This record gives sequence, C-alpha cells and structure tokens, in this order.
Amino acid sequence: EAAVTQSPRSKVAVTGGKVTLSCHQTNNHDYMYWYRQDTGHGLRLIHYSYVADSTEKGDIPDGYKASRPSQENFSLILELASLSQTAVYFCASSDGAGGQDTQYFGPGTRLLVL
Amino acid sequence: GDQVEQSPSALSLHEGTSSALRCNFTTTTRSVQWFRQNSRGSLINLFYLASGTKENGRLKSAFDSKELYSTLHIRDAQLEDSGTYFCAAEGTNAYKVIFGKGTHLHVLP
Repeated sequence: EAAVTQSPRSKVAVTGGKVTLSCHQTNNHDYMYWYRQDTGHGLRLIHYSYVADSTEKGDIPDGYKASRPSQENFSLILELASLSQTAVYFCASSDGAGGQDTQYFGPGTRLLVL
Repeated sequence: GDQVEQSPSALSLHEGTSSALRCNFTTTTRSVQWFRQNSRGSLINLFYLASGTKENGRLKSAFDSKELYSTLHIRDAQLEDSGTYFCAAEGTNAYKVIFGKGTHLHVLP
C-alpha cells in the first residue's frame, strides 16, 4: 500500500503570510500532485511533477508555487496567503502518469487563512 | 473543457440494499478511477479501470472507453460504506485526472 504523508495536518495562517505545505512519499513513485478541495466540491489540480527538480502547472496554479527537491518530497508554497486559499489540500502520488495509474492520497492538510 | 459529472449528488440507502452511482463524461476518456472519502476526510482508491469491470467485495465498477460513463455498484450496503464517492477521469493530458463533485452516500440502519 502506498504511503503518502503530509505536514502539517492543519494550519492557521494570516493573510499575506507565507505558507509551506509538505508531502513525503515512500513508494518510489515518479509522479506527485497537489490538489485543493473546497467544501462541496471535488478536487482540483494545482501543480504536479513527474521528476525531481521539475514541476508543472495544473488547472489552478495562480497563487501557488511547487517544489520537488527529491523523488520523495513535494512542497506547495503560498508566498502571500489569501482568504480564498482556505481549503483542504491533498497530496497524491502514482507510479505512472496520473490518468494512467492508481493515485494514492495523503491524509490532507486543512488550511485556514485569516 | 473536459468535465466529469456524478449522479446522484446525494443518496440514502438502508442497510442491506443496493444501488449504483454514475459518472458521466463530456468527452471520451481512456480510464477512470473511483475513490471514497470517509468522515475523517481520507481519500481511498477503490478502483482504477481502463476497460471492463472490477469487483472488490460488495463493490463493482464498470467502464467502457467507447461509452461516456462509468458505474459503481454497491451491493448489500453497510453503515461503513457511508461517505462521499468521487470518480476521476483521465484528461486529454494523461498526466492529469479530472474529478467529479462526488456523490454523498448515507447508509441508514
């Protein structure tokens, strides 16, 4: 079973502050993803990566940066947090490309921006 | 753009009964994944299908890439089946999947 962990599990941030969400996977997967989930909605892709030191924009990348320093680690960075970025953030990994292989999700990070 | 629509948006079942959830696509897709999100918010992968059917216990899913939908059947529903079920379709960019908004399932005693 794939193991994807996220930290922190919850965070309160102030508007304009910097927030870093971290994701770690131990299954040697090449592909990693960051999604956000808003109440009553499905998941929307923010950034993804298929190799270390490279990231790609997803469907809603504005206001977010991503970093993939190693195969195991993938971070999501909010340089200037805004109220609209309050959401639950999920990291996922997969062995093959996201649409071509099972995605395994972390437990999520609940972010509240005040 | 590509869209994924799930129906029904909410469903209540009594224990022991069965039902089917549906995932409709606006364009053809090569694969579909089904997930369940439990009350703690955890997302659990149920099925990945590129074609055909898969079964796991009381759950069974079907997908034909020539059709514009996939189904998830729940047989003999149990209380622990409650949660939100999401489907996700492979996008035109194979790196990405597109999620539906989910079906909220409530299993009643």
